Amino acid sequence: AQTVTQSQPEMSVQEAETVTLSCTYDTSESDYYLFWYKQPPSRQMILVIRQEAYKQQNATENRFSVNFQKAAKSFSLKISDSQLGDAAMYFCAYRSSGANSKLTFGKGITLSVRP
Amino acid sequence: DTEVTQTPKHLVMGMTNKKSLKCEQHMGHRAMYWYKQKAKKPPELMFVYSYEKLSINESVPSRFSPECPNSSLLNLHLHALQPEDSALYLCASSQGQGFYNSPLHFGNGTRLTVT
Repeated sequence: AQTVTQSQPEMSVQEAETVTLSCTYDTSESDYYLFWYKQPPSRQMILVIRQEAYKQQNATENRFSVNFQKAAKSFSLKISDSQLGDAAMYFCAYRSSGANSKLTFGKGITLSVRP
Repeated sequence: DTEVTQTPKHLVMGMTNKKSLKCEQHMGHRAMYWYKQKAKKPPELMFVYSYEKLSINESVPSRFSPECPNSSLLNLHLHALQPEDSALYLCASSQGQGFYNSPLHFGNGTRLTVT
């Protein structure tokens, strides 16, 4: 079974600084997708970024980028120029390529942004 | 604006009540999901509908009864709930369950309190 581990329950970053959220996963599959979701106090889960396992190039979305290390099964999220609106709970998630595959979430990390 | 709409936003019900949660999407997605989320925890999958047919039931108690009247609508009927069922209930949709690279789009959730 696939597992996703986010070992840090909480992190804090100064506004305008950079922060990296770590995530590791365990799988025997070769084809899969990885996602980072953000859940602010407004409750909606919002997709931040996604990465296909077959793509070596790290995904980037504006201030958000990932460091995908397939061999190490690591998928960290870097947030540059942190803003107050980035304060939220962040979940790392994995989905294999099977027809009935499910989204497996990590435990999440609460990010606070200091003004 | 969220593309997946859930109503109501908040619901308080007694253990003998019958209520329903509603979810609607107009993105043409063919897979729809119900998740249960406790505070500071990741979402837990309850049900998946694919092309309006129930494809996954994660051994959810029968007091939760899902229904998919058409490809845009998803309901969750509640009856004889217990206080421990109090949680945030999230609806999500995706292009199709077999499209593992298709991210889930989540609604804002219904905050359910069982008294």
